[in-house]
Amino acid sequence: GDSVTQMEGPVTLSEEAFLTINCTYTATGYPSLFWYVQYPGEGLQLLLKATKADDKGSNKGFEATYRKETTSFHLEKGSVQVSDSAVYFCALSGVTSGTYKYIFGTGTRLKVLA
Amino acid sequence: NAGVTQTPKFQVLKTGQSMTLQCAQDMNHEYMSWYRQDPGMGLRLIHYSVGAGITDQGEVPNGYNVSRSTTEDFPLRLLSAAPSQTSVYFCASSYLGGGATGELFFGEGSRLTVL
Repeated sequence: GDSVTQMEGPVTLSEEAFLTINCTYTATGYPSLFWYVQYPGEGLQLLLKATKADDKGSNKGFEATYRKETTSFHLEKGSVQVSDSAVYFCALSGVTSGTYKYIFGTGTRLKVLA
Repeated sequence: NAGVTQTPKFQVLKTGQSMTLQCAQDMNHEYMSWYRQDPGMGLRLIHYSVGAGITDQGEVPNGYNVSRSTTEDFPLRLLSAAPSQTSVYFCASSYLGGGATGELFFGEGSRLTVL
């Protein structure tokens, strides 16, 4: 079945370091891909998305490119800040045989130190 | 803008008790869903609905019931609470555009403890 795999955490970085969080997926058809962020005590909120191959989603300095050939959607940021400390979830959505699906990875906790 | 509203935010139950988690959205979204979040396991889909009168099971439906009598409301019922249902529950909704779900809008979560 469909699935999303993202790198284990926690990831600890110093402020202004480069961030990569890996995400790969398995899916039938052509899913949309998302990154969500969860700050402590809150629900998830959309960070960025891409709906077709080679699309690049971007927001708040974060970027991810929909790579169909490698079934990946890695999250990157050039210079992280303490305020980026949160849990990041990769997700896919689509429809297969009339069934709607929205599948999340297990989440990667990021801690940024000043 | 209210968005997705969940109640209660916190609840403690004894084993065997029943309760309902309420979820309401004011964005006229067709798609609504319930997830549970457990440490190290991410979010797991319990039940979802693509419109009033239509519900379907997700990955972990056992022990939970849902109904969708209106577009706005999607309550989650625990029939006989068990300690394994201790978790944080999130309701989420979305438009159904182009045959696929778009951005999910989440509530703030409901932390449930079953003793």
